[in-house]
Amino acid sequence: QKEVEQDPGPLSVPEGAIVSLNCTYSNSAFQYFMWYRQYSRKGPELLMYTYSSGNKEDGRFTAQVDKSSKYISLFIRDSQPSDSATYLCAMGVNSGGYQKVTFGIGTKLQVIP
Amino acid sequence: DVKVTQSSRYLVKRTGEKVFLECVQDMDHENMFWYRQDPGLGLRLIYFSYDVKMKEKGDIPEGYSVSREKKERFSLILESASTNQTSMYLCASSPFGGGTGNTIYFGEGSWLTVV
Repeated sequence: QKEVEQDPGPLSVPEGAIVSLNCTYSNSAFQYFMWYRQYSRKGPELLMYTYSSGNKEDGRFTAQVDKSSKYISLFIRDSQPSDSATYLCAMGVNSGGYQKVTFGIGTKLQVIP
Repeated sequence: DVKVTQSSRYLVKRTGEKVFLECVQDMDHENMFWYRQDPGLGLRLIYFSYDVKMKEKGDIPEGYSVSREKKERFSLILESASTNQTSMYLCASSPFGGGTGNTIYFGEGSWLTVV
């Protein structure tokens, strides 16, 4: 079993829809959680960072963490064609002086105008 | 804004050539990383460094080496390029501190094709 599971998609939605992207994980030691957006042939860019269970909102994006269920989500409201990209979840732990971050495989999202 | 710069965006090299991928970050970050990204496999960590002249193997170090002579610069070296090293290579850095100091910042990527 992988430490982090993420459905690769692709996921196609109409413009204006609410998008839900999810990851599950098995390592209860993870301390912080991130979501990245990656456009084609570009590097990933950070969207959201959180370290506690609950919701964190930033504009049209909401990150949700449920540590008891080992489940994180990213919601995109009023989705736009410019949101078409691959979304990667990432989970990290700092241990023994090292930073260890594990990434999901990424979900490819297409928002249809 | 944090800037991680990878000097080469697109490279084509021949099998057996020695390849250098250079990366510079401008935020005085302690940690630097090299990943490769392949379809269906996601991001895989090759090497990382938590200080100048320090390096640690990641999950797939075979066929690669790294150099970190200055804090801001982290180089990935393919000693003898092979076709199975054709991939997108991503450099990243993080300040490795409290709060959002754990955030990893990526460069734009270097697309390497080995023929």
